Amino acid sequence: SQELEQSPQSLIVQEGKNLTINCTSSKTLYGLYWYKQKYGEGLIFLMMLQKGGEEKSHEKITAKLDEKKQQSSLHITASQPSHAGIYLCGADTGGFKTIFGAGTRLFVKA
Amino acid sequence: GAVVSQHPSWVICKSGTSVKIECRSLDFQATTMFWYRQFPKQSLMLMATSNEGSKATYEQGVEKDKFLINHASLTLSTLTVTSAHPEDSSFYICSARSTHRGPGEKLFFGSGTQLSVL
Repeated sequence: SQELEQSPQSLIVQEGKNLTINCTSSKTLYGLYWYKQKYGEGLIFLMMLQKGGEEKSHEKITAKLDEKKQQSSLHITASQPSHAGIYLCGADTGGFKTIFGAGTRLFVKA
Repeated sequence: GAVVSQHPSWVICKSGTSVKIECRSLDFQATTMFWYRQFPKQSLMLMATSNEGSKATYEQGVEKDKFLINHASLTLSTLTVTSAHPEDSSFYICSARSTHRGPGEKLFFGSGTQLSVL
């Protein structure tokens, strides 16, 4: 079965600093999603990547999918307290199901 | 954007009672909805796939008689936790796919339900 591994598990950064979160799949990704979750709340869709080498940006968040389609990274530039939360990567398994990584807990110190 | 409404946001119940959680797609039709469970500091665990007009497909290890799923219409799926016990306390989230979206399209998530069983 396909598995997603996220790293780091948690991250504490000073406000204004850049950071990167990684998501590695044990199999080729058909579709890779990035979500943000605030503690005790639902998931907010950030971006979806499908093509090898694809890169998308939204405000200060950029996500990339490698050429082999097995690894994705999420980069936040000039982090702010509003970026704090849990970042989850999700992947389609090819059967209309989506699996998720364990998440990366981001804390931003003001 | 598409919206999925989940209700209630939180519920506290006594051990032995049943609790129903609703998941509605507000502006699109969803032939398939998913139910997840999330423990503190852990990721989402898929419990079951809810298909409109047919029986739900449960993941391995999920008791179908414990977690009853009904998907009676293209906009509503319900999860009933029967005879709830403290170990059922968790955060439950639903998600939905539009009938016009195939694999690789984004899922839309509800805001979750925090269940606490006393």
